[in-house]
Amino acid sequence: DADVTQTPRNRITKTGKRIMLECSQTKGHDRMYWYRQDPGLGLRLIYYSFDVKDINKGEISDGYSVSRQAQAKFSLSLESAIPNQTALYFCATSDPPGGADTQYFGPGTRLTVL
Amino acid sequence: GDSVTQMEGPVTLSEEAFLTINCTYTATGYPSLFWYVQYPGEGLQLLLKATKADDKGSNKGFEATYRKETTSFHLEKGSVQVSDSAVYFCALFTGNQFYFGTGTSLTVIP
Repeated sequence: DADVTQTPRNRITKTGKRIMLECSQTKGHDRMYWYRQDPGLGLRLIYYSFDVKDINKGEISDGYSVSRQAQAKFSLSLESAIPNQTALYFCATSDPPGGADTQYFGPGTRLTVL
Repeated sequence: GDSVTQMEGPVTLSEEAFLTINCTYTATGYPSLFWYVQYPGEGLQLLLKATKADDKGSNKGFEATYRKETTSFHLEKGSVQVSDSAVYFCALFTGNQFYFGTGTSLTVIP
């Protein structure tokens, strides 16, 4: 089984709808991240969490919110989806051993907002 | 602010050709540097990393050396294969956040 899973894998929705993307991990990592990927822009950080009680905004948090329900679960919500939120969304985890960090990515959720 | 700049693609090479993908960075302090690879339809996977100046990361025939004097971490492979076709991302880690480049698409033709 995959260490980092995302649901759904694909979603088509309409402008104004509330959407939740879910991420679960079995790696036991404290740190979790949400990114979006757009052609020509690479990955941009939306939110990150270093533990259940720690949530931080990333580069492009406007229009998004997150919930860290447990160490293993980190959800991303779009309160009122708009077309320019159409993108590929990735969840990632990491567990720095005090030195260099490595991220482990989920398979991605392709979201289309009509 | 902290950032990564990598060469734009797409890059198309014949099998067994030499590959270089340039990456330069801007960061305060002493970041760790990474190359990630994304195969079609998949998430990113770590390819290699280096944690301090002059370190060389290597994996699957790919190499990159952390050059502090030129703030660079160029990816190289001596002989590419069709299976290397993917998107390659340079990234840096500052202790809290990762910063990714825009990605370079590589296609290797037989």
